[in-house]
Amino acid sequence: DAGVIQSPRHEVTEMGQEVTLRCKPISGHDYLFWYRQTMMRGLELLIYFNNNVPIDDSGMPEDRFSAKMPNASFSTLKIQPSEPRDSAVYFCASSLALDYGYTFGSGTRLTVV
Amino acid sequence: AQSVTQLGSHVSVSEGALVLLRCNYSSSVPPYLFWYVQYPNQGLQLLLKYTSAATLVKGINGFEAEFKKSETSFHLTKPSAHMSDAAEYFCAVSAPTGANSKLTFGKGITLSVRP
Repeated sequence: DAGVIQSPRHEVTEMGQEVTLRCKPISGHDYLFWYRQTMMRGLELLIYFNNNVPIDDSGMPEDRFSAKMPNASFSTLKIQPSEPRDSAVYFCASSLALDYGYTFGSGTRLTVV
Repeated sequence: AQSVTQLGSHVSVSEGALVLLRCNYSSSVPPYLFWYVQYPNQGLQLLLKYTSAATLVKGINGFEAEFKKSETSFHLTKPSAHMSDAAEYFCAVSAPTGANSKLTFGKGITLSVRP
């Protein structure tokens, strides 16, 4: 298996623009997680899905952020409109179970200028 | 809710020296515990996990960790540090069968290895 695949690896955008981050989980994994990592706040869980259904989105910072999982092999995290404070590395992870080890993607480094 | 505490943000050791990274947990049920490593510009990679079997867990790259219930600890060790071990290390806990059993990560510790 190729692991969790995220695209793009790097994204630079201007403030106010829409940004879409993409993730392909490991086949057969029922759980998908979106994390954000910054120096100030560390690793934060934004949202997670079970069998394509959003279960807990309490970590989503505000309405500008939205996530979807239209099928078992694809998820998106969208920021609209983007702001400089959204600059961070965004990770996607997948897992067989909620309480087991997660497999992380390589991340998307987002810079909003 | 479960939590982990990783004291300090940075540990520096000499090449060949013992590596000891500390992690203490809090959980209302017997926990699962994990150590992850993050190399620069990469995602987190699972080093090892404890899931209520043997208390001494061996992982990749020569690392191991021991679950000590009496001390609520799960410290990560490696007998001899290599330059390639320089990275950030995260401890994580989950509460299997709990109402909120997703993984909770610590703040991470940066390991530096001096030549």
